[in-house]
Amino acid sequence: EVQLLESGGGLVQPGGSLRLSCAASEFTFSRYAMSWVRQAPGKGLEWVSVVTGSGGSTHYADSVKGRFTISRDNSKNTLYLQMNSLIADDTAVYHCAKALTPASDDAFDIWGQGTKVTVSS
Amino acid sequence: DIQMTQSPSTLSASVGDRVTITCRASQSISSWLAWYQQKPGKAPKLLIHKASSLESGVPSRFSGSGSGTDFTLTISSLQPDDFATYFCQQYESFPLTFGGGTKVEIK
Repeated sequence: EVQLLESGGGLVQPGGSLRLSCAASEFTFSRYAMSWVRQAPGKGLEWVSVVTGSGGSTHYADSVKGRFTISRDNSKNTLYLQMNSLIADDTAVYHCAKALTPASDDAFDIWGQGTKVTVSS
Repeated sequence: DIQMTQSPSTLSASVGDRVTITCRASQSISSWLAWYQQKPGKAPKLLIHKASSLESGVPSRFSGSGSGTDFTLTISSLQPDDFATYFCQQYESFPLTFGGGTKVEIK
């Protein structure tokens, strides 16, 4: 079964850092762009970042640009999100999501269950 | 950035009702629109992509239409499993953006 499994969330103080991981299985990981999408408590969905299949190109939402870095290790079928200088507004469940096609600007056909990040002192 | 506006934000309906949800883009996105269903505590599920293409495995009571700036998700006969929140998403350009969501509640 095609699956995405996130890990690495937790409680972190404002200004702190966290690294999220997303392990992929049962599809050709390197072929597809991968994104992070977050959902603050009781709120809607916010796209955070995308990386192409090769890892050569990335895009970020303005709200995280300069603080978050997306990357991938295709040899490990794993997607990452390095989050620095965290603020309270970053509190959310973070989902990784697979692009429907190899295109980076695409719909998402597979989502992970999410990992919860709480930024609080 | 392209803003996506969904309406209504909440919808009360009964099993068997025909339900329509609207999504409007702040500029033309051609047909680069997706619809998702999300249940509490769960990940979103892709229903429709490219405005009207039904994702594999999704019941045929779901349909999508529209192009340019105005789009519609229709559930032809609401089933108990359909009570959930629905989101639209544009993927015409970065940043990718979602609508605010429509919660479909039991009447």
